[in-house]
Amino acid sequence: DAGVTQSPTHLIKTRGQQVTLRCSPKSGHDTVSWYQQALGQGPQFIFQYYEEEERQRGNFPDRFSGHQFPNYSSELNVNALLLGDSALYLCASSVSGTTDTQYFGPGTRLTVL
Amino acid sequence: QKEVEQDPGPLSVPEGAIVSLNCTYSNSAFQYFMWYRQYSRKGPELLMYTYSSGNKEDGRFTAQVDKSSKYISLFIRDSQPSDSATYLCATKSSGDKLTFGTGTRLAVRP
Repeated sequence: DAGVTQSPTHLIKTRGQQVTLRCSPKSGHDTVSWYQQALGQGPQFIFQYYEEEERQRGNFPDRFSGHQFPNYSSELNVNALLLGDSALYLCASSVSGTTDTQYFGPGTRLTVL
Repeated sequence: QKEVEQDPGPLSVPEGAIVSLNCTYSNSAFQYFMWYRQYSRKGPELLMYTYSSGNKEDGRFTAQVDKSSKYISLFIRDSQPSDSATYLCATKSSGDKLTFGTGTRLAVRP
């Protein structure tokens, strides 16, 4: 049973560029959440997607946007990259309507120069 | 004030020691409590998941929740060098959004 997968593993961009990160949820999961983890910090909630719509959003600017596809996979897009966007971006999947928790992927490490 | 407070450590213990990791939270709406383990540059791995106050045991790990004092703990018995990692506490209310602590770095010395 495949767990949560993310691509790419690492990414280096320059300020002002745009980036797209991808996530495939665990088999049987229909909800995808994205988190940003800065070095030495806990993950911070960006947003969550269910039924191809953004269901909940954290305190992140609208430079951060996302999408969920009919197969439940998801993308995170970040426009106009800033140095402060350098972080580990984590995708987590879960099953809507249950009390089960979220399961995380390995993350994508984004470096903005 | 952060919703979930966690001492970042680092915490260094000898192999075989009992480790105690702790978090406090401020939001009474939090109902579910989790501990994740994160190795360097990897994604968080779920260790323990509890709902109510009390203890939950899984092998060498025991999670403890005290909702009256808004205090959550993770105990690791017979700690091993392979337990060296960052331990993240997390909570959520009825919604799906997880709120994390800063994480505590643990080093178990052989």
